[in-house]
This record gives sequence, C-alpha cells and structure tokens, in this order.
Amino acid sequence: SQQGEEDPQALSIQEGENATMNCSYKTSINNLQWYRQNSGRGLVHLILIRSNEREKHSGRLRVTLDTSKKSSSLLITASRAADTASYFCATAGYSTLTFGKGTMLLVSP
Amino acid sequence: NAGVTQTPKFRVLKTGQSMTLLCAQDMNHEYMYWYRQDPGMGLRLIHYSVGEGTTAKGEVPDGYNVSRLKKQNFLLGLESAAPSQTSVYFCASRAGGESPLHFGNGTRLTVT
Repeated sequence: SQQGEEDPQALSIQEGENATMNCSYKTSINNLQWYRQNSGRGLVHLILIRSNEREKHSGRLRVTLDTSKKSSSLLITASRAADTASYFCATAGYSTLTFGKGTMLLVSP
Repeated sequence: NAGVTQTPKFRVLKTGQSMTLLCAQDMNHEYMYWYRQDPGMGLRLIHYSVGEGTTAKGEVPDGYNVSRLKKQNFLLGLESAAPSQTSVYFCASRAGGESPLHFGNGTRLTVT
C-alpha cells in the first residue's frame, strides 16, 4: 500500500505564483524526499528532509516536515512554466523508498 | 556518465509471452530497484537489491522475477506476461545511507 499521499492531485497556477503541495504518510520514517517527473521521463530528486528536521530550503524550494502529524509540504516559490511536472513525495525506510501518487502541477505563462 | 540506462524503451507483448527488462548503472551504486507506474497509482516497488547477488520482494512482486548477477545490472523478468502487467517500468539505483534515487527513463510495456 502507498505510504505517502499527496494533496492536491492536480494544481493549476499562473507563472509567478507559489505552488504548495502536501504529503501525508502513515508510519515512522528515516527521511522524506521529494521528486519531480517531467512527462515521459524518470523521476529526479529535488530535496531530502530528515526526520529530526522541520524545514529545509533549496533555491526556490521549501520543504517542511511535521512528524507529529506525519505530514510534509513542498512550496515552490515564483513558479515558472518549466516547473510544470508531477511531484512525488517518498518516505524512506531501511532499504526502500515508498512513493505517493503524486501531484500534477501545471504552470501557465 | 550515462547514469541509469533501461532497455528496451518500448515493447509490446502478447499474453503468455516472456521478456527481460535490463537496467544498467555506471555509478557503482549498491542498491537497485524496479518500480512500475500506472495512472492514478503512483510508483509501486516490484523488487529490489541491496547488493550484488541479493534480491528482495517489494510491494507488488507477483508475476516478476529479478536477478543481480553483476553489481551494475539489475534484470526484471516476466515469465508469462498478462494484460495487468501493462505499465511503465522504472529502474532506479542509489548509493548507501541517505543517498537519493537515480532513475532511468522507463520502459513502456503493453501486453495485449
């Protein structure tokens, strides 16, 4: 069964706006990671946040983690058309990563 | 570096046929994984390997077999393909610790 569940399933915004995606999970984790997938391509790693961290930044990305609520959020600031993609959270156990179903982000010029 | 390479990119099989998907990585990664991606289902783990000569079952292993005879290669086999195995298959690899996954670009398989 899926460990992570992203919300919303789809998000449509204009260039320059911020995009926020949420991820909820069920069991304890070592870390949580976010990946991006462009159409027809493999996933690409964006950012990792450890279970003892609350917030992390990388460029226009900001990730938060609330282990008490078993949830994470990914914020993309000042979105660009090139950010159009699907975004997945993945929870890390001992050897494996379990992915959610993803959020499809459409950024219109 | 080529990263993770999957062959073939596309394949059409008839029900009952067999095939092997090949994944090769040139990053000397210990861990390798096979996922399938279906619409609305996200990625589900089929099998994985934590090192040369090892394999383990993931979430949806039925109907698939794997082998990791060489560290750089991870093979996924379908012995008797079924329409339910129509999917996009992704291979990924990573080094140890908290290292992220590196994905190939997928194999699109259709079983008729």
